[in-house]
Amino acid sequence: GAVVSQHPSRVICKSGTSVKIECRSLDFQATTMFWYRQFPKQSLMLMATSNEGSKATYEQGVEKDKFLINHASLTLSTLTVTSAHPEDSSFYICSAQNPGGGRFFGEGSRLTVL
Amino acid sequence: AQSVAQPEDQVNVAEGNPLTVKCTYSVSGNPYLFWYVQYPNRGLQFLLKYITGDNLVKGSYGFEAEFNKSQTSFHLKKPSALVSDSALYFCAVRDINSGNTPLVFGKGTRLSVIA
Repeated sequence: GAVVSQHPSRVICKSGTSVKIECRSLDFQATTMFWYRQFPKQSLMLMATSNEGSKATYEQGVEKDKFLINHASLTLSTLTVTSAHPEDSSFYICSAQNPGGGRFFGEGSRLTVL
Repeated sequence: AQSVAQPEDQVNVAEGNPLTVKCTYSVSGNPYLFWYVQYPNRGLQFLLKYITGDNLVKGSYGFEAEFNKSQTSFHLKKPSALVSDSALYFCAVRDINSGNTPLVFGKGTRLSVIA
């Protein structure tokens, strides 16, 4: 089946630093990827939709300058949390869409900002 | 606009008993419905989906779900629960004709199966 890999699975960083999370579709080309954020005991909240070769579309209330999304190839999208603060600590999950429209999720990345 | 409601935050069931996790949805067109399961600190695992066809959909690990258009529901069921089924379950929806729009998720229901 289709595999989506997220890296790192866990990251701890100091406040003020930037962290990059990668989302890779390992066996299919993903023209569209979605980034979600999940707070403890809550549902997945869509942050942005990323289309290969174009700017991401951010959901209302998501700061595009803080959460930089790059989708430079058909198999890789990255989310960079810039100048991270403790309130950015969360579980971030990506989803990649294959050419047939199927959606596949990564294993998630837990970010802890100290 | 699309939305999903999972009315129960928590469902408790004894091992061996049948389980039901409820989900209702709202879309403007025809729904594309999903159930996912999430274990602690893990991503989402696909259980099953409904696009068209039989209203009863069978999925992974013995789970099934019944699409009911008149009640706009897509409840997840399993005839005999296992302790290992304990996890967080999400229902999700999107409009079939909505192209690349993202899935909209319910808030999740935590299932606890007691031995």
